[in-house]
Amino acid sequence: NAGVTQTPKFQVLKTGQSMTLQCAQDMNHEYMSWYRQDPGMGLRLIHYSVGAGITDQGEVPNGYNVSRSTTEDFPLRLLSAAPSQTSVYFCASSYQTSGRDEQFFGPGTRLTVL
Amino acid sequence: GQQLNQSPQSMFIQEGEDVSMNCTSSSIFNTWLWYKQDPGEGPVLLIALYKAGELTSNGRLTAQFGITRKDSFLNISASIPSDVGIYFCAGPSGGGADGLTFGKGTHLIIQP
Repeated sequence: NAGVTQTPKFQVLKTGQSMTLQCAQDMNHEYMSWYRQDPGMGLRLIHYSVGAGITDQGEVPNGYNVSRSTTEDFPLRLLSAAPSQTSVYFCASSYQTSGRDEQFFGPGTRLTVL
Repeated sequence: GQQLNQSPQSMFIQEGEDVSMNCTSSSIFNTWLWYKQDPGEGPVLLIALYKAGELTSNGRLTAQFGITRKDSFLNISASIPSDVGIYFCAGPSGGGADGLTFGKGTHLIIQP
C-alpha cells in the first residue's frame, strides 16, 4: 500500500491564480481530511469528509473548496490564491468513521503564494 | 474552539538523556494522540490514549492520559539522534468539526 499520497510536493502561485492539490489513499478509508501547517503552529483542520459525496468545514475553511466523488480521492481547491494561503498542506485519512481518532498523514504539499 | 498548550516549546538535550513533555487542554478530551513530525514529512502517530489514567508504551516512548482528562504527558527514555523532530499532541476538535486539534509542538533538538 502507498498509504496517503499528495501531489504536487511543491507549488508556487501568483495571487489570484487557482489550483488543485491532489490527495489519494489506497487503504479504503472512509474518512479523509485536509490540514494546513504554518510556521510555529500546529496543524489546523480545513475541510473533511466522512465518505464519498459528503464534505464539511473545519476550523479554517475560507478560501478553499473540496469535493469527494470517490472513496480514494479528496482534492483541495484554491479558487483565487492569496499570500495568506502560503503554507504546508497535509491530507490525512482514518480507518475510523470519525476524524476524532488516529489519522494517517500524507507527506504534504508546500505552497507559496506570491 | 479547543486549545492545546504544549510545553516546552523546544528542548535541547544530550544524546542518552530522558525527555519529558506535556500537553494541557482547555476542555476535557476523550482521546489523546501523540504524533512526531520529521523535517519535510507528515506527522506520524506514536501513541494513542483512550482512557483517563492510561499509561501506554511504544518502545522507548511512554505516554499517559491525565486523570483530569485535560492533560497528557510524553516521555522518551535514553534519547538517540533519530528522536530529533517536532512532537505534537492532538485531540478531538470541538465546535462540531469532526477532526483533530493540534498543539503547537515541542521541537526536540539533540546536541552533539
